[in-house]
Amino acid sequence: GAGVSQSPSNKVTEKGKDVELRCDPISGHTALYWYRQRLGQGLEFLIYFQGNSAPDKSGLPSDRFSAERTGESVSTLTIQRTQQEDSAVYLCASSLEPVSSYNSPLHFGNGTRLTVT
Amino acid sequence: KNQVEQSPQSLIILEGKNCTLQCNYTVSPFSNLRWYKQDTGRGPVSLTIMTFSENTKSNGRYTATLDADTKQSSLHITASQLSDSASYICVVIPTDSWGKLQFGAGTQVVVTP
Repeated sequence: GAGVSQSPSNKVTEKGKDVELRCDPISGHTALYWYRQRLGQGLEFLIYFQGNSAPDKSGLPSDRFSAERTGESVSTLTIQRTQQEDSAVYLCASSLEPVSSYNSPLHFGNGTRLTVT
Repeated sequence: KNQVEQSPQSLIILEGKNCTLQCNYTVSPFSNLRWYKQDTGRGPVSLTIMTFSENTKSNGRYTATLDADTKQSSLHITASQLSDSASYICVVIPTDSWGKLQFGAGTQVVVTP
């Protein structure tokens, strides 16, 4: 596809269950980012991938959160033992180069809305 | 404390009118500052990108300004349209952090007929 694709678009899960969120970046984009957006709040950085490596994982809120990227393409964000506080929209974005480059726009997917009941 | 503060939090304007959104930041040093538009239920879409040395950047009816001395940026929307109803987000990219973009909380704009 032409843009960043995320799936599922919506996920409702029970507290304590594990969930996997998927992101398919734009083909050829080396940088991939995960953000969390709580209702009415700004985007919160979770993790950044350059290729398949994650040089910055400092945004992951707890050890229940993990992410991986394979083939310099698809990425999966996994949340184990979900809590109600995990309810948010999880946004994935990709860019051709690291976003510190002026000429590297960040392209966002439409997010996965996670609701933990 | 958030390093990027936006104001107002929300505003309502009549179709055809102009409006200006403000962004104050403390991020320093930074490589570039961006404005994004986020429609409800969608991911943010880039409107403008400015380096620290640029003062203004336009994209159609959107014009962004940057004053690096006062650490302020603004986004001006000219002749607003109903489709401009969205959240507008100011983003500052620090030079020392490749992934930790600093996002403002956004200004929610509602354009009414």
